[in-house]
Amino acid sequence: DAGVIQSPRHEVTEMGQEVTLRCKPISGHNSLFWYRQTMMRGLELLIYFNNNVPIDDSGMPEDRFSAKMPNASFSTLKIQPSEPRDSAVYFCASSRGAEGELFFGEGSRLTVL
Amino acid sequence: QQQVKQSPQSLIVQKGGISIINCAYENTAFDYFPWYQQFPGKGPALLIAIRPDVSEKKEGRFTISFNKSAKQFSLHIMDSQPGDSATYFCAASRNTGNQFYFGTGTSLTVIP
Repeated sequence: DAGVIQSPRHEVTEMGQEVTLRCKPISGHNSLFWYRQTMMRGLELLIYFNNNVPIDDSGMPEDRFSAKMPNASFSTLKIQPSEPRDSAVYFCASSRGAEGELFFGEGSRLTVL
Repeated sequence: QQQVKQSPQSLIVQKGGISIINCAYENTAFDYFPWYQQFPGKGPALLIAIRPDVSEKKEGRFTISFNKSAKQFSLHIMDSQPGDSATYFCAASRNTGNQFYFGTGTSLTVIP
C-alpha cells in the first residue's frame, strides 16, 4: 500500500497568492483529515470528512481556507489569499472509520513570504 | 480549548533510562487513546494505543498506563535508545465521532 500521498512536499509562495495542497488517502479509507502543525500550537485539526462529506470544519481558521473532497481518492485544501501566518506543515491523514488508526502523509511544508 | 493536555514539552533522557510522558483529558466520552511518534520531516505514525477497559498495555519497550478515574494516561519507554529520539503525541477520540484530539507533543532526546 502506498500510504497517504500529499503534494507538494514543499511550497514557497508570496503573501496574497493562492495555495492548493493535495491529498490522496489510502484506498478503502472512508475518513480523511486535514491537520496543521506549528511549533506554537502543535497539531491542529482543520477539517475532516466521512464518506467525502465534510463533518466538522470548525478548525478552519477563517474564510481564506477551504477544503473539498470530490471523490473518495482525492482531497484539496486551498488557502486564498495566503498570509505569512499560514506558514506551517499541513498533514493529511486517513482512517478506516471506527478502527481508529490514523495514517498520516508526510506533510506539505508551506512557507508564505 | 485544549481537549488533551500533554507534558512535558521536552524531555532529555540518558540511554537505557525510562522516558515518561503524561497526558490528561476532560471528555469522559473519549474511548480510544493512541500515542503517535513523529520523526523530523515525517508524518506522525501510530506507536501504541489503549482503550479504557484496561489499565495498561505493553508492546515491547513501550507501555501505556491508563487511569480512568483520574482521566490520565501516560507513555513509558523502557531502556530508552537514541533511535527513540522523536516527538511523541498523545491523542483521544470517540469512535462514533471519529475525530482525534492531539496533545501538543513532547520532544524526546535520548543521549548516548
